[in-house]
Amino acid sequence: QVQLVQSGAEVKKPGSSVKVSCKASGGTFSSYTVTWVRQAPGQGLEWMGRFIPVLNVSKYAQKFQGRVTTTADRSTTTAYLELRSLTSEDTGVYFCAGSAYDMSSDSEVNWFDLWGQGTLVTVSS
Amino acid sequence: DIQMTQSPSSVSASVGDRVTFTCRASQHISRWLAWYQHKSGEAPKLLIYAASSLQSGVPSRFSGSGSGTDFILTISSLQPEDFGTYYCQQANSFPITFGQGTRLEIK
Repeated sequence: QVQLVQSGAEVKKPGSSVKVSCKASGGTFSSYTVTWVRQAPGQGLEWMGRFIPVLNVSKYAQKFQGRVTTTADRSTTTAYLELRSLTSEDTGVYFCAGSAYDMSSDSEVNWFDLWGQGTLVTVSS
Repeated sequence: DIQMTQSPSSVSASVGDRVTFTCRASQHISRWLAWYQHKSGEAPKLLIYAASSLQSGVPSRFSGSGSGTDFILTISSLQPEDFGTYYCQQANSFPITFGQGTRLEIK
């Protein structure tokens, strides 16, 4: 059974960058996509982007284009989210989530039965 | 982008009550819809996918219906552990979008 384990809480200054990791234990990335979702304080869930590790391709929400990068290290089954030019509005809990990907048919199903525990990112001067 | 609108924004109900949540998509999404339960400090939990398929391990008191633009999540007999915020999410097209959530409080 694959589990996603995220890195610990971060405190960052405005203008800096943060890199959150998401390690898949008990499995590989070959049949999954990795999606990043965040929740700002008192707000709902917000989709940030999706990464397919086996293809090394990403899609991002328009809101984050230009300052977000998703990557993965397949050798360590770890996915990463990097967010740059942080402001206080980036404060929140960041989740990674996994969903099925079938490389033979290049098909993905974007509902998420696998989630990391969340990483709190606080942006404050 | 497809907008997902949930109603009501919050609901308070008693144990044993039947509770329904509504989700409306701004465009036709067929049955590409999922429902999640989210409790503070935890990861969201997938309840329903493909509009009406019950995720493995989820109690059968949860059910989903609908297609196209209008969807419903029903809890047939509310239990104390069902508190939390419920989100719908469309998986029809990118960008993936969530509804704003319905907060469920147990009386």
